[in-house]
Amino acid sequence: DTEVTQTPKHLVMGMTNKKSLKCEQHMGHRAMYWYKQKAKKPPELMFVYSYEKLSINESVPSRFSPECPNSSLLNLHLHALQPEDSALYLCASRGVGSYEQYFGPGTRLTVT
Amino acid sequence: QKEVEQNSGPLSVPEGAIASLNCTYSDRGSQSFFWYRQYSGKSPELIMFIYSNGDKEDGRFTAQLNKASQYVSLLIRDSQPSDSATYLCAVNRRIQGAQKLVFGQGTRLTINP
Repeated sequence: DTEVTQTPKHLVMGMTNKKSLKCEQHMGHRAMYWYKQKAKKPPELMFVYSYEKLSINESVPSRFSPECPNSSLLNLHLHALQPEDSALYLCASRGVGSYEQYFGPGTRLTVT
Repeated sequence: QKEVEQNSGPLSVPEGAIASLNCTYSDRGSQSFFWYRQYSGKSPELIMFIYSNGDKEDGRFTAQLNKASQYVSLLIRDSQPSDSATYLCAVNRRIQGAQKLVFGQGTRLTINP
């Protein structure tokens, strides 16, 4: 089973709202990733967590705040976003000792 | 030079033919290579990975890796209209103690009935 789940599927938020995206996996993977994908572009890495610790922040603006409460769960807290932040937000996970990343279905975010 | 390069297409192939997708990479030390399929509006799906030189087959898909020439390719035999999608080539990199994927721009493939 290589299932990564993400909620919500769709999210519309205003520029003053605070919302959170959630990602969950029960495969025992210890690395989890957040990506942002704009139309007709490849996924763009935002954050990497390894063993619940933030390993990589690809210079993401502070209006995006990641959190990894435990080894199965990854959150992305959103605050004061801009319309250009509208995109598909993807979560992925990777098992210990492997390099393959498995993506969740994504959250389609629209900022109005 | 981009780290991972793909022809963006679109690549148009008749149904039943072989679709050939190519990818080159610049870091000679790269060890792990991946092909993801992405349907419009959906998330990327891992369809093949290859770590050793040569061919790796899985059903109608064959991944080919040539580290000396720094290219990796994906062949799709007996192409079906359901294979129409964007195919993303990715290369693994180790940075700051973590593993990350570097993606090419993707090749849009259309299979014509």
